[in-house]
Amino acid sequence: QVQLVESGGGVVQPGGSLRLSCVASGFTFTDYGIHWVRQAPGKGLEWVAFLRYDEEKWYADSANGRFTISRDISKNTLYLQLSSLRPEDTAVYYCIRDDLNYAFDIWGQGTMVTVSS
Amino acid sequence: QSALTQPPSASGSPGQSVTISCIESSSDVSGNKHVSWYQQHPGKAPKLMIYEVSKRPSGVPDRFSGSKSGNTASLTVSGLQAEDEADYYCSAYGGNHCWVFGGGTKLTVL
Repeated sequence: QVQLVESGGGVVQPGGSLRLSCVASGFTFTDYGIHWVRQAPGKGLEWVAFLRYDEEKWYADSANGRFTISRDISKNTLYLQLSSLRPEDTAVYYCIRDDLNYAFDIWGQGTMVTVSS
Repeated sequence: QSALTQPPSASGSPGQSVTISCIESSSDVSGNKHVSWYQQHPGKAPKLMIYEVSKRPSGVPDRFSGSKSGNTASLTVSGLQAEDEADYYCSAYGGNHCWVFGGGTKLTVL
């Protein structure tokens, strides 16, 4: 079964850091790119970052310089390191497989990040 | 970088058809084939419904169809059913290594 499972969310103070994890199963991890997309409470979807199959990394302007995407092939795990967090980063963070056609085909269940003092 | 504009709401009665638009603001997107649509029920993760403008993933009912004319992509839901009530988002690869989403459309089945 093709699946993505996120973890690592929680409550963090402004300026703090958090590392999100996304474990992939049911497909060859290195054949696909993986995205992070977030959704603030009651709001729409916002693309955050992408790690392509060849490890090229792309970021949204809102994430550039503060967030880092990476992966550990041995663990079939993708990471999103969040730093210098702001209240406006509060959201559910989803990891998603790229279907090789620039679409998001397999979504995780999401992990909630709350930035608050 | 393009922006995508969707109507905030749409509605229809069971059995009817409804079309949701997604207007791209960039001047260089008329040839953009990388448009996709997502359905999201409350409290759930989004689900891919249409990719590459008009292609349906396996398992998506053929009541859902996508099209594009100029800078406007559209999602049509035919034969509306109660379970189609959800939020719908369009997305496009905006070029320059980024993706964008529309603001979302809340579809109500009357």
